[in-house]
Amino acid sequence: DTGVSQDPRHKITKRGQNVTFRCDPISEHNRLYWYRQTLGQGPEFLTYFQNEAQLEKSRLLSDRFSAERPKGSFSTLEIQRTEQGDSAMYLCASSLTRPLLDSPGGEQFFGPGTRLTVL
Amino acid sequence: DQQVKQNSPSLSVQEGRISILNCDYTNSMFDYFLWYKKYPAEGPTFLISISSIKDKNEDGRFTVFLNKSAKHLSLHIVPSQPGDSAVYFCAASDYGGATNKLIFGTGTLLAVQP
Repeated sequence: DTGVSQDPRHKITKRGQNVTFRCDPISEHNRLYWYRQTLGQGPEFLTYFQNEAQLEKSRLLSDRFSAERPKGSFSTLEIQRTEQGDSAMYLCASSLTRPLLDSPGGEQFFGPGTRLTVL
Repeated sequence: DQQVKQNSPSLSVQEGRISILNCDYTNSMFDYFLWYKKYPAEGPTFLISISSIKDKNEDGRFTVFLNKSAKHLSLHIVPSQPGDSAVYFCAASDYGGATNKLIFGTGTLLAVQP
């Protein structure tokens, strides 16, 4: 299977602990996104990488959050000093760059997500 | 403010009939729209997309319609099947923006009754 993979699928942690999630995108995809989804809401954008460069961060991403994509391949999302409000599904997506608005491709494909529970 | 709105939290349809899911947006910069399907404990699965230069796109049982003047799009599923039961999310992006990040609606839970 060559889809987007995420690890771990589930993480339970105590408040104040640090956690790190990993995302492996589809191999030829140069764009990588992180989203967060809470109950009853749609996914919300957190941050975006083009190759290894982090080009945008949402205001949702506080100083406790950091993301990396070394060498433009896999990405990690770290949350320091977790809070109960960080409990959510963290989703990773990847895509190609679509050259024209109506060109095929460019859709974002999502991984299965990491469910974080902060006690 | 909610830039992408799905005003129907749920929809129930009989197997074999048409399912119509609706989505409204407020940002006139959005020019690329997508529908995703999501099962519990899984990530969203891409279904179909449409760019603002079209008003209709079909893929098998799925058709998306875009009405730019009304800032409205809809997803038609025909015929509906029990396996279509899931949460459907509408998403939009600004192709001219740097990131093409997606702005999602809150989703509509579709139940297809056998």
